[in-house]
Amino acid sequence: GGIITQTPKFLIGQEGQKLTLKCQQNFNHDTMYWYRQDSGKGLRLIYYSITENDLQKGDLSEGYDASREKKSSFSLTVTSAQKNEMAVFLCASSTDRGYSGNTLYFGEGSRLIVV
Amino acid sequence: GDSVTQTEGPVTVSESESLIINCTYSATSIAYPNLFWYVRYPGEGLQLLLKVITAGQKGSSRGFEATYNKETTSFHLQKASVQESDSAVYYCALGSNYQLIWGSGTKLIIKP
Repeated sequence: GGIITQTPKFLIGQEGQKLTLKCQQNFNHDTMYWYRQDSGKGLRLIYYSITENDLQKGDLSEGYDASREKKSSFSLTVTSAQKNEMAVFLCASSTDRGYSGNTLYFGEGSRLIVV
Repeated sequence: GDSVTQTEGPVTVSESESLIINCTYSATSIAYPNLFWYVRYPGEGLQLLLKVITAGQKGSSRGFEATYNKETTSFHLQKASVQESDSAVYYCALGSNYQLIWGSGTKLIIKP
């Protein structure tokens, strides 16, 4: 089996600050994802990457940057943190694009707190 | 666009009772989407419970079942007899052209 590790578990920053979340996977999966989950809502895709150095925008990419410098890692940067985007950010990976039937494996999530 | 609607929680069920969590979908971008149920147990990451990629088929796992009904555009999750360990948040999802579309989740509470 493998594991997805997200760091930090809690990310606290000030409004307007640039903040970065990191994700590591040891499944050797090609595709990785960043989702945002607001309280009581479903997951929304921010970015995904189908291989090293590839980036694909999801529906919620505005205000975020992502980076896939290695196959095993995928980072997400909030370019200017706002109080209305306090949410849980979930990283996931799969062997191929998840919508086509492949299982997504998730990390435990990182909670963003903006003060 | 594509969407998923599921039972709003929390849902409280007594141990050994039956359960159904409704999931209906709207798929405009794809004729036969893949359908999934994911679950998040307390303190754990989201994980796949079951999936069905062929209309008319049933998926099952850990005593849960869901049938892909193309006519009613539904994928309801059922279990005949729940246990305390089933307490979790359940998410229905649809595979569209390039991403998964997620329902808002249903928190299931099991009364001992």
